[in-house]
Amino acid sequence: QVQLQESGPGLVKPSETLSLTCAVSGDSVSSYYWTWIRHLPGRGLQWIGYIDSSGSTNYNPSLQNRVTISVDTSKNQFSLKLTSVTAADTAVYYCAKGQLVLENWGQGTLVTVSS
Amino acid sequence: DIQMTQSPSTLSASVGDRVTITCRASQSISSWLAWYQQKPGKAPKLLIYKASILESGVPSRFSGSGSGTEFTLTISSLQPDDFATYYCQQYNSYLYTFGQGTTLEVK
Repeated sequence: QVQLQESGPGLVKPSETLSLTCAVSGDSVSSYYWTWIRHLPGRGLQWIGYIDSSGSTNYNPSLQNRVTISVDTSKNQFSLKLTSVTAADTAVYYCAKGQLVLENWGQGTLVTVSS
Repeated sequence: DIQMTQSPSTLSASVGDRVTITCRASQSISSWLAWYQQKPGKAPKLLIYKASILESGVPSRFSGSGSGTEFTLTISSLQPDDFATYYCQQYNSYLYTFGQGTTLEVK
């Protein structure tokens, strides 16, 4: 059974970079697709983007200029970086396995953007 | 972007009830629709994909139907474990979008 676990700071200051990691067990990040999603308060779930087994990425156009997803095969994890954050980026961030259909999800981690 | 609208936002029901949740797309998405279940503090769980295909291990009381712009998730006989929030998600266009969620609560 694939398990995913998000980790990272729960509080980020405005204009700084949000950095999260998703540790994967039960599968290899070298295969398949790996996705980040967030749940914005009062606005619902938003797809952030994914990375595939070759390292190719696809991002939500509304976040394209600020987001980077990468994979660390040595640690079997993948990461999210979101630059120049504002209060609007406050959300629960989820990582998931899959591209179109999200087969397995992490439990999510709350990130608050505040000074 | 394709907008996904779920109804109702909240549904009150009792164990044993048959319940139906609707998801409407702002344009046709063929059958490229998934349903997820989420309980408080837990990871969302995939229930159904391609509108009607049950994910392995999901109880057969769950079913999905529809195509084009209108879809339904039906639970044939509600069990205590089914009280949760349900989301639909379209994957017809690469900007994948979700419904706002339907919370199924105890009546």
